[in-house]
Order: sequence, then structure tokens, then C-alpha cells
Amino acid sequence: GQNIDQPTEMTATEGAIVQINCTYQTSGFNGLFWYQQHAGEAPTFLSYNVLDGLEEKGRFSSFLSRSKGYSYLLLKELQMKDSASYLCAVSTSGYNKLIFGAGTRLAVHP
Amino acid sequence: DAGVTQSPTHLIKTRGQQVTLRCSPKSGHDTVSWYQQALGQGPQFIFQYYEEEERQRGNFPDRFSGHQFPNYSSELNVNALLLGDSALYLCASSSSTGANYGYTFGSGTRLTVV
Repeated sequence: GQNIDQPTEMTATEGAIVQINCTYQTSGFNGLFWYQQHAGEAPTFLSYNVLDGLEEKGRFSSFLSRSKGYSYLLLKELQMKDSASYLCAVSTSGYNKLIFGAGTRLAVHP
Repeated sequence: DAGVTQSPTHLIKTRGQQVTLRCSPKSGHDTVSWYQQALGQGPQFIFQYYEEEERQRGNFPDRFSGHQFPNYSSELNVNALLLGDSALYLCASSSSTGANYGYTFGSGTRLTVV
């Protein structure tokens, strides 16, 4: 079966660093995505990993270990606007069908 | 450059009715995928359209059907609505010749079934 797990909720302080973990078990793997979704809005693309290792993009970094079925999203220098849901998704086929986790709701407080 | 446009933004329907949701993909994109997102959950894949045909389908009943037009826009139809169909319906477009991460989501249609 297809299974993607991530924590339901996390809280963090403005200016701090937070790591959101994602583990997956899927039939087929064609890359792992992280999306940010503010309440009532469309998911917006944050990162894409297809090879093992760390991808860094400004305040956001994403890590992938295919052998462990594990990824994390690292957010640095947290800002209040980072309060949102973060969705981990795996592409399981060449047609870019995405399997999503339930999302992690991050609350950033002063 | 317009992104993905979905209409309507909100919709209220009665149980048993039928509904049609519309999506215009981002300019340059030729593939449209539809997702259902229940409150507090991640999006669930419904189906994907490419070259006016359904190319992949998720675990949704036949009450869910779709169409893609020659201009790449798409419709999602749901028949015999159930209360459980209440959700945010997201359209995502991509290019068949683009990078694997070229997935753009629309803002969604919030469907409420009463």
C-alpha cells in the first residue's frame, strides 16, 4: 500500500529553526515534494528531491534518504508568515501522480 | 502570466445533485490533475487528463468523471452528491515536456453538500 506519515502539528518560536519529518512507503518512487499551504489557499511548491542528500533554497532546505524512506523539511529563521500546513508528497509514477501525507500544521509564535 | 484558474470558488449543493467544476491550466501546461482535499487532510488524487483523455485514476467511484478540452482546460463532474463529497477540490496543471516538479495548483473550489 501507499503510506506517507508526518506529524500532525508543531509549534515553534519566531527566529528559531524547525524540522518537519516525513516517512513514506510507496509502490514506485519518482521524487519527493514539499508544499506549503496557508488556510483556504492553494498549495505552493517549496522543494523537490529525487536523489539522496540535502537541497538548500534560502531559508528552506529539504533532505532525502531513499533507502530509509525518509525526508525532512528544515525551516530556518522562522517568521510569523511561515505559520501554515506543510505537505509531504511522493510522485509514484512518470505521470507525476502525487500521493500526499495529511500535512503538518506549523504554528509560529512570537 | 495567469496561473491555474478554478471556478467557482465556493459552491453549495444538495445531496443527490450533480456538480461541475472548471479549471484553466497555467499557460504552457497541457496536463491537468484533480485532487480532493477534505478538511485537515492532504489532497487525494482523483484523476489526470492529458491529450483529452483520462490517463490515470485514483481510488474514486465512477460518480467522479472528467473531461479535457482541446484548449487544455478541464472539468470535474460529480454525480449523486453525498455529504462526504464536501471538500476543497484542487486542480493542478503541469507540462508533459517540463521538469518533474512543474506542478502548479489552483486555489480550489470549496464544495459543501447539505
